[in-house]
Amino acid sequence: GGIITQTPKFLIGQEGQKLTLKCQQNFNHDTMYWYRQDSGKGLRLIYYSITENDLQKGDLSEGYDASREKKSSFSLTVTSAQKNEMAVFLCASSIGLGGYAEQFFGPGTRLTVL
Amino acid sequence: GDKVKQSPSALSLQEGTNSALRCNFSIAATTVQWFLQNPRGSLMNLFYLVPGTKENGRLKSAFDSKESYSTLHIRDAQLEDSGTYFCAAEADTGYQNFYFGKGTSLTVIP
Repeated sequence: GGIITQTPKFLIGQEGQKLTLKCQQNFNHDTMYWYRQDSGKGLRLIYYSITENDLQKGDLSEGYDASREKKSSFSLTVTSAQKNEMAVFLCASSIGLGGYAEQFFGPGTRLTVL
Repeated sequence: GDKVKQSPSALSLQEGTNSALRCNFSIAATTVQWFLQNPRGSLMNLFYLVPGTKENGRLKSAFDSKESYSTLHIRDAQLEDSGTYFCAAEADTGYQNFYFGKGTSLTVIP
């Protein structure tokens, strides 16, 4: 088994601020993902990465940057936080894609922008 | 429009009864995953499917890629089954992409 950790658990930012969220996995998985979940809604894909230094855009990538520094870590940056924004950002990992894309999720980072 | 439509959006079940949740896809899904999200927000993996069926205890899931749908059957519902169920589809839309439904909120009542 393995575990995915996300830091911080709670993030409070100011409008216009650049905010960075971090994710680590010890599954030794190749593929990692960032999703955004708004209250009462499903998850939407922001970015994913199939290997170290790779980056693929999801449908929600505008307003975000991501970086896959090494196999075990994947960070997400909110480039300019929007006032009154509230969402949960979820990180996941999988062995790969295709028939190997079973995703395992971390506990999430809850963002509030004042 | 929504690429993954889940139904129903909410459901109340008497303990011990059976029900089925459904996801319809408007994309060419290649794999499907089902999750249960608890009130704290943690996502628990239930099933990961290529076309076909899987069963685990009181849960059974099917994925038909030709008819573009997946189902999750819950047998003998228990209180701990309460939560929000999500399906997610992997699809090749020019590049690999992953789409979640909006979820089914299930409440099991004693």
